[in-house]
Amino acid sequence: AAGVIQSPRHLIKEKRETATLKCYPIPRHDTVYWYQQGPGQDPQFLISFYEKMQSDKGSIPDRFSAQQFSDYHSELNMSSLELGDSALYFCASSLPGNYGYTFGSGTRLTVV
Amino acid sequence: AQSVAQPEDQVNVAEGNPLTVKCTYSVSGNPYLFWYVQYPNRGLQFLLKYITGDNLVKGSYGFEAEFNKSQTSFHLKKPSALVSDSALYFCAVRVLALNQAGTALIFGKGTTLSVSS
Repeated sequence: AAGVIQSPRHLIKEKRETATLKCYPIPRHDTVYWYQQGPGQDPQFLISFYEKMQSDKGSIPDRFSAQQFSDYHSELNMSSLELGDSALYFCASSLPGNYGYTFGSGTRLTVV
Repeated sequence: AQSVAQPEDQVNVAEGNPLTVKCTYSVSGNPYLFWYVQYPNRGLQFLLKYITGDNLVKGSYGFEAEFNKSQTSFHLKKPSALVSDSALYFCAVRVLALNQAGTALIFGKGTTLSVSS
């Protein structure tokens, strides 16, 4: 069965650089969620989209932005990267009302 | 505010023994509760969920969880632990947004389960 696809799997950036993470949800899933998991931490909700509109917002820094495109994939754009942004970034998708969330394998971002 | 708590950072059990990983929740309204497992450097894998119905929920890999409304708990259990069950376990609650679509999961801090042979 198709799963949530995230790219890239690993990313190394320098401080103050910009990064773009991509998420491709399960076919027919129209809701996407982004999470950030720091080392030894629980996943923190960043932002979600439903039908290409922002649905909910969590602890996403102002330096980050995201959007969902017409094909339902989503991109998380991160600017002015800081060392503290080093984390595992997860994307999850769901059908509205399904109460089921499928997570991707994550993108590990390392800021040096 | 809606939240979920996992009171134990680590749980140690011997292989073959029953295991319990604890989770308590605080929500307004009906809780939607989930358990996920995470292996090192891997994504979150769904184990089970409680939406409504029977208080005992059966999930993947022989795990089950019991929803207890009076104690606001949703403890994860397995009758006989395996060494391969050693991983990080997260309890999560679904949080309602103003727009019910796109409601996110809020996770507990996680519990590391260590099963010894």
